[in-house]
Amino acid sequence: QKEVEQDPGPLSVPEGAIVSLNCTYSNSAFQYFMWYRQYSRKGPELLMYTYSSGNKEDGRFTAQVDKSSKYISLFIRDSQPSDSATYLCAKDLRQGAQKLVFGQGTRLTINP
Amino acid sequence: ETGVTQSPTHLIKTRGQQVTLRCSSQSGHNTVSWYQQALGQGPQFIFQYYREEENGRGNFPPRFSGLQFPNYSSELNVNALELDDSALYLCASSSPGATDYNEQFFGPGTRLTVL
Repeated sequence: QKEVEQDPGPLSVPEGAIVSLNCTYSNSAFQYFMWYRQYSRKGPELLMYTYSSGNKEDGRFTAQVDKSSKYISLFIRDSQPSDSATYLCAKDLRQGAQKLVFGQGTRLTINP
Repeated sequence: ETGVTQSPTHLIKTRGQQVTLRCSSQSGHNTVSWYQQALGQGPQFIFQYYREEENGRGNFPPRFSGLQFPNYSSELNVNALELDDSALYLCASSSPGATDYNEQFFGPGTRLTVL
């Protein structure tokens, strides 16, 4: 079993829709969770990170962590064509380790 | 402030050859991590360098090796190339500190094709 499981999609939704991206993880050791966005032919860029269970909001993006079920989610509200990218969930092995374990990535397309 | 840069952008090699990839970290960052991203997959951690010393390694064989220089730039070397080594190689720099979370900044990657 992979440490971080993510549905690779692809996922295609109309502009303005709410997008839900999900990952599950094994290994409950102390860890941070992150969502990265990767445009074609680019390196990943950090969207959000969170440690605690619950929700964290940043503009149109909300990251949700449920440690009891080992489930992490990213919600995108009012989706835009510019949100079309691959979204990668990741966890860090421990605080400050900066040795990330990534999911497979979900390819998202927002249709105008 | 310059971001993370990597060279070359693309590279084609044949099986059995050796390759060196280069990374310049973001100004002020003393930690460099290397990742391998196969097509359609998420990045996989290869190893990390902190102040010129290896600081952790993923599940990669010894033919993957690295260096970090006094200016914190880094090299990834792969010997005896195999077809499965074809991937995007990503470098990420960061600077550990006392803050809540220290973001890694990724470069654009080097696309390696092994024929």
